Amino acid sequence: AQTVTQSQPEMSVQEAETVTLSCTYDTSESDYYLFWYKQPPSRQMILVIRQEAYKQQNATENRFSVNFQKAAKSFSLKISDSQLGDAAMYFCAYRSAGTSGSRLTFGEGTQLTVNP
Amino acid sequence: DAGITQSPRYKITETGRQVTLMCHQTWSHSYMFWYRQDLGHGLRLIYYSAAADITDKGEVPDGYVVSRSKTENFPLTLESATRSQTSVYFCASTGRDYVNTEAFFGQGTRLTVV
Repeated sequence: AQTVTQSQPEMSVQEAETVTLSCTYDTSESDYYLFWYKQPPSRQMILVIRQEAYKQQNATENRFSVNFQKAAKSFSLKISDSQLGDAAMYFCAYRSAGTSGSRLTFGEGTQLTVNP
Repeated sequence: DAGITQSPRYKITETGRQVTLMCHQTWSHSYMFWYRQDLGHGLRLIYYSAAADITDKGEVPDGYVVSRSKTENFPLTLESATRSQTSVYFCASTGRDYVNTEAFFGQGTRLTVV
C-alpha cells in the first residue's frame, strides 16, 4: 500500500515571501499522479497543482510550483510571493495510474499561516 | 447545479443511532469515495466505489456501510454511531480516464456523536 508523509504539521511565512512544504511518499509503482490540495477554513478541498510521475518537468501553476524528485520519492510545494489568502491546510496526495488505483491517499496535512 | 453535493452539512446524533450521509454528483464520474478527516490523520479512506453496484473497503471501514445503486449517488451509513465516529466526512468523485485525474470533493459533513 502507498503511504504519504508530511513531516511539517505547521508552517508560517511572511506575506510576499516564499515557503516550501514537504511531502514524501512510498510506492513500488512507476506510474502515478501526485497532487497538492488546499483546504481553507471553509473546508472546501481545492486542487492546487498536479504532477504526472512520467513527466520529468516540474509542474507550475502561477505562484505555485513543485519539486518532484522521483528517485527520492519527494514532492515538495513551493509558494512564491505568499498572500494572506494562501493561509490554509495543505494536503499532499498520491493516486495510482493503474486501473485499480483511482483512490487518493493523503498525507497528514500542513497548516500554513501567512503573517502580514 | 453541476457538481458534487453532500447533505447534511452538519449533524448531531446520539450514540447507537443510525445515521446516513448523502452524496450526489452530476458528472457521471465512475469513481466515488468517502473519507473522514481527523486532526493529525489527514483524510482517511472509508469506502470507495468504481461503478454502480461495485464497492470496496478503504483504510477505516469498520462501523460504516455504503451502497451505490445509481452512478450519481453514494450514501454512507453509520449503523450504530459511536463517539469515535465524530469527524468531518468528505465525499469525492473522479473520472476513469487518465486525462482527468483530479478528484472533486463535496463541502464536507461535520458529524458529532454525543
